[in-house]
Amino acid sequence: DAGITQSPRHKVTETGTPVTLRCHQTENHRYMYWYRQDPGHGLRLIHYSYGVKDTDKGEVSDGYSVSRSKTEDFLLTLESATSSQTSVYFCAIRTVARNTIYFGEGSWLTVV
Amino acid sequence: RKEVEQDPGPFNVPEGATVAFNCTYSNSASQSFFWYRQDCRKEPKLLMSVYSSGNEDGRFTAQLNRASQYISLLIRDSKLSDSATYLCVVNSNYGGATNKLIFGTGTLLAVQP
Repeated sequence: DAGITQSPRHKVTETGTPVTLRCHQTENHRYMYWYRQDPGHGLRLIHYSYGVKDTDKGEVSDGYSVSRSKTEDFLLTLESATSSQTSVYFCAIRTVARNTIYFGEGSWLTVV
Repeated sequence: RKEVEQDPGPFNVPEGATVAFNCTYSNSASQSFFWYRQDCRKEPKLLMSVYSSGNEDGRFTAQLNRASQYISLLIRDSKLSDSATYLCVVNSNYGGATNKLIFGTGTLLAVQP
């Protein structure tokens, strides 16, 4: 258990509305990540953070923004949700000591 | 060509069988390798890291072949509880603030009673 909590765990929203997913960690990890997982594509990196206010884009960042104002919180925002953003979103942290990734339980988002 | 490729399966095996999964990667500069396990509608969880000399954890054995650029996972004496999707993960350092983790799409294992 890497002390990662995602919220909300499930959400249904309408096309065009903004949505924010929250990732909260309790172990002071520097590196945090947002992935999405879709059938046939595996896990794809959306954005990542390497410290407070330090973020960068992943491979599928279009339509998403992130913020990290505190070490423990990493927020993912869909500015204007589209049906193609229906997916399961996983937050993750990376431990420096073992250089391995640990995931949160996931947030299931449906855009109708 | 995908950077990390796995046979999607499903692999349907009886309890007690030995099953092996392979995973190939395209970046010869890849540095770290992992197997993750993912149960249906759950998050991926680290199963084991893969070391150059090969490593074993109970019924699970992981091996790395750098020359051929593949890693493997062997599960002996399969249990019903081993049924899951197994993800191959490769960590390639492209420079910058973070390493780049590439996930395979996973191999589905179904162990039958």
